[in-house]
Amino acid sequence: SQQGEEDPQALSIQEGENATMNCSYKTSINNLQWYRQNSGRGLVHLILIRSNEREKHSGRLRVTLDTSKKSSSLLITASRAADTASYFCATDAWGNNRLAFGKGNQVVVIP
Amino acid sequence: EAQVTQNPRYLITVTGKKLTVTCSQNMNHEYMSWYRQDPGLGLRQIYYSMNVEVTDKGDVPEGYKVSRKEKRNFPLILESPSPNQTSLYFCASSLLGEGIYGYTFGSGTRLTVV
Repeated sequence: SQQGEEDPQALSIQEGENATMNCSYKTSINNLQWYRQNSGRGLVHLILIRSNEREKHSGRLRVTLDTSKKSSSLLITASRAADTASYFCATDAWGNNRLAFGKGNQVVVIP
Repeated sequence: EAQVTQNPRYLITVTGKKLTVTCSQNMNHEYMSWYRQDPGLGLRQIYYSMNVEVTDKGDVPEGYKVSRKEKRNFPLILESPSPNQTSLYFCASSLLGEGIYGYTFGSGTRLTVV
């Protein structure tokens, strides 16, 4: 099955800095989604970008999608300590009826 | 409040003793799914359901059963649990349209099989 793969796997930044993480995938998609997970809790949906969209914003989040390179990036601007979490990308492939997750990307924001 | 409710949150059981983890959503979502999360392996899909009485296997269905008799409920059944099923389990639901929209996840069930 198709999976997103996040890069880098772990990121440590100072509060106020921007955090960028990337996700690559292998096949054609309906949409790509990003989720946040705080320490063993349920994942929270952050943002969905459709295959015909190139960029999307939600508050301090900016997501880009490059379907020619089969990659996406998530940018968190002006990071806060509360942004410390694991971030997952997930892909919904055409005709698959499934959402496949990457292994996650741990972000630590140092106050 | 729109939510996915999983029970129990924590469960310790012995090998071979049948157990059920319940999942219920109050958002009238068509799509429901179970995942397990293990260190280094990320989230792997166990089973999913696109509507009542429609279920299908995910990536790791062995050792699990599900049913979808009502739209709101999607229980996960382990008929004969084994230690390799020790994991953190999540139920999730979503609307269906042109693809799967954003999941709402339950809080998780941490299962230990000894």
